[in-house]
Amino acid sequence: AQSVTQPDIHITVSEGASLELRCNYSYGATPYLFWYVQSPGQGLQLLLKYFSGDTLVQGIKGFEAEFKRSQSSFNLRKPSVHWSDAAEYFCAGHGGSQGNLIFGKGTKLSVKP
Amino acid sequence: DSGVTQTPKHLITATGQRVTLRCSPRSGDLSVYWYQQSLDQGLQFLIHYYNGEERAKGNILERFSAQQFPDLHSELNLSSLELGDSALYFCASTKTGGVNEQFFGPGTRLTVL
Repeated sequence: AQSVTQPDIHITVSEGASLELRCNYSYGATPYLFWYVQSPGQGLQLLLKYFSGDTLVQGIKGFEAEFKRSQSSFNLRKPSVHWSDAAEYFCAGHGGSQGNLIFGKGTKLSVKP
Repeated sequence: DSGVTQTPKHLITATGQRVTLRCSPRSGDLSVYWYQQSLDQGLQFLIHYYNGEERAKGNILERFSAQQFPDLHSELNLSSLELGDSALYFCASTKTGGVNEQFFGPGTRLTVL
């Protein structure tokens, strides 16, 4: 069965430090993958998506993600974290031809001043 | 602002009751997806409608139903509510019925007492 796994429940980084959030997928074929961010009391906002082509994907707010087929990973990165990046981050993959999403459990990011 | 609206923002009700959650997709979007977010289950896909027709079902209980109207807004009906139905319910919309980035509404927080 298709699945998306986020191994880290909670990560704390210092403001200005680099960030990498992990996401692993299990799919029979190449998946369509997404990263979403959810701020407290808010809906989910799309950061970036990977459908095909260039394996390094640029997103909004300075985020990028790299699709690595050999490692079944799609990790999210940011070179310098800002306090406003504190939120919960969800990796998702397509669940079927109708486009429903399968979400990981999420990683909560805290930012230390 | 994603352009997807959901009402009400908060809903508090008692066990055994029935509630209706409403979602208006972005202008021009034909697909509406419903998701449930709870602490123990995470984000789970419930059901997908495209241009008024049901297209896919996920982990949706028989007590729950949905429909999409000719003006493309959608309603999620939850009946015989149980304490465990307390969750955040999101809808998301896309232009097409296939895999694409989804735009999420702000959610409806349901509390069942």
